Amino acid sequence: QKEVEQNSGPLSVPEGAIASLNCTYSDRGSQSFFWYRQYSGKSPELIMSIYSNGDKEDGRFTAQLNKASQYVSLLIRDSQPSDSATYLCAVTFSFGNEKLTFGTGTRLTIIP
Amino acid sequence: EADIYQTPRYLVIGTGKKITLECSQTMGHDKMYWYQQDPGMELHLIHYSYGVNSTEKGDLSSESTVSRIRTEHFPLTLESARPSHTSQYLCASSDLDPGNYGYTFGSGTRLTVV
Repeated sequence: QKEVEQNSGPLSVPEGAIASLNCTYSDRGSQSFFWYRQYSGKSPELIMSIYSNGDKEDGRFTAQLNKASQYVSLLIRDSQPSDSATYLCAVTFSFGNEKLTFGTGTRLTIIP
Repeated sequence: EADIYQTPRYLVIGTGKKITLECSQTMGHDKMYWYQQDPGMELHLIHYSYGVNSTEKGDLSSESTVSRIRTEHFPLTLESARPSHTSQYLCASSDLDPGNYGYTFGSGTRLTVV
């Protein structure tokens, strides 16, 4: 069982709709959670971080964290074709903060 | 501007050649990482370092080696390149506690061995 799980997709969303990306993790004591966006052939770029239960909003992006259920999600409002990319969830585990553990990523396609 | 740099961006090289992929960062980060990623596939950690003279192998077995003689520099070397080494190599760095700000990635090196 992978420690950080994401649906690989592809997830297709019409332009202007809300895209919802989900991630579950195995360690209940995890403290820090990150969402990276990776365009094809490019390197990952950090778009959101979240550390406390609840929602965190940044522009069209909202990260949601529920530690009791061990999931973190990313909502993208008013989806644009430029949002088409692979989204990686990353978590630091409680037994050691030395590395991030990445999920396999969800490929998102925004349909014009 | 603080950043992380990888050179070259693209490299096509013949089988059996020795190559070194360069990675440098100006952020003063203690921790640095090398990932290998095939197109459309997940990231695989191949090496990491927690500071000068500290290097460890990652989760994915790799024939490459690394060194960390200076804080800002973390080169990756392949002694004898093979077609199976064809991939994208990504370098990243972080604070002592990556939970603070996550990783910063370089632009990557796309390696093709012919």
